[in-house]
Amino acid sequence: ETGVTQTPRHLVMGMTNKKSLKCEQHLGHNAMYWYKQSAKKPLELMFVYSLEERVENNSVPSRFSPECPNSSHLFLHLHTLQPEDSALYLCASSQDWGPRETQYFGPGTRLLVL
Amino acid sequence: AQTVTQSQPEMSVQEAETVTLSCTYDTSENNYYLFWYKQPPSRQMILVIRQEAYKQQNATENRFSVNFQKAAKSFSLKISDSQLGDTAMYFCAFITDKLIFGTGTRLQVFP
Repeated sequence: ETGVTQTPRHLVMGMTNKKSLKCEQHLGHNAMYWYKQSAKKPLELMFVYSLEERVENNSVPSRFSPECPNSSHLFLHLHTLQPEDSALYLCASSQDWGPRETQYFGPGTRLLVL
Repeated sequence: AQTVTQSQPEMSVQEAETVTLSCTYDTSENNYYLFWYKQPPSRQMILVIRQEAYKQQNATENRFSVNFQKAAKSFSLKISDSQLGDTAMYFCAFITDKLIFGTGTRLQVFP
């Protein structure tokens, strides 16, 4: 257990559904991240939050909507997804945002869009 | 463009043997940090080892060590005395302004 938890671990949704992924870190970190992991592709950074402010948005479609209500929690709201959005979504956190920081990952949510 | 290349999609090693996973990267930055992450079948990504690019000394963490060649932009991972629990996907990554990952090497340790 690395101190970063994600729920649910598995999610199946239709293209018209709305769902949310939750991430919680118990490490006292100030930065949190969402990544998308697809088969045979490098991890893709989606969003970065530092001190609850979004600091990076890597050209992610608007059907993905992040929310960071406090430094311990990060959500990814999903709506009208496409089948190609099926992937493992990983949350990570680090003490602060910056190149010196080591990121610690959660177990991921395996998402299947039908 | 900043990239990480892991040229070995899959590797296997017998228990107690040594295996080396290769990684090359490309960046125009001079200051950065390099990482090897391990992702076991349970999918929890775990940090294995970290190297600061301005340090010439190779990082070591118990059975894990790296061979960092900055001029060649090479950052290989050596696992000594391989154990069954080392079976996992291994990702090489570096960070300048954001963390860039390779596509991973699937390592299978056989008894």
